[in-house]
Amino acid sequence: DTGVSQNPRHKITKRGQNVTFRCDPISEHNRLYWYRQTLGQGPEFLTYFQNEAQLEKSRLLSDRFSAERPKGSFSTLEIQRTEQGDSAMYLCASSFYGPLDTEAFFGQGTRLTVV
Amino acid sequence: SQKIEQNSEALNIQEGKTATLTCNYTNYSPAYLQWYRQDPGRGPVFLLLIRENEKEKRKERLKVTFDTTLKQSLFHITASQPADSATYLCAFLHGSGNTGKLIFGQGTTLQVKP
Repeated sequence: DTGVSQNPRHKITKRGQNVTFRCDPISEHNRLYWYRQTLGQGPEFLTYFQNEAQLEKSRLLSDRFSAERPKGSFSTLEIQRTEQGDSAMYLCASSFYGPLDTEAFFGQGTRLTVV
Repeated sequence: SQKIEQNSEALNIQEGKTATLTCNYTNYSPAYLQWYRQDPGRGPVFLLLIRENEKEKRKERLKVTFDTTLKQSLFHITASQPADSATYLCAFLHGSGNTGKLIFGQGTTLQVKP
């Protein structure tokens, strides 16, 4: 297992189009996070999963955003009707959540540019 | 609401000096804090975790302290090197039981000059 993998690494799309990103976490990790990061800011929480259950979705996230983690394995993040303000780096992280919580491992991110 | 704040101004220091970065939090009492390093265009990489019952933790040239009274964590890099130049993020798990989520500060950029 080589770590958290995100695809694609870069995505340029026209405003109004839908985009989907994929995240493959470390296989034994039960927790998966999605974050959005813009220049000069820290990762902003979007949503997270414990196994296949989506436990929380940020209130800042509009209903154009949806995430899934079927069977508790890989996850997808879809943005519908993209807007220029959606341009950012989208980061996925996974961790093993247990009695002694451990660190999160991040993927390289998907950089989205909406033109 | 819960907040985690880091100094948004970049920290510029000379090689060999000790860099000290600050992380403050409000309206919450996390069980632990984590520190990450992020290089441009890459995802954050975990460095250290410190629990609320630990005052200090060290790893090689890194040292983290956690003051639950001041609601503050300090991150030190001793004998800094130009390769330490990066953005450093603090984070904590917000929530309890099975539903905590990891939230981050905005990060502080460190520039170490040779």
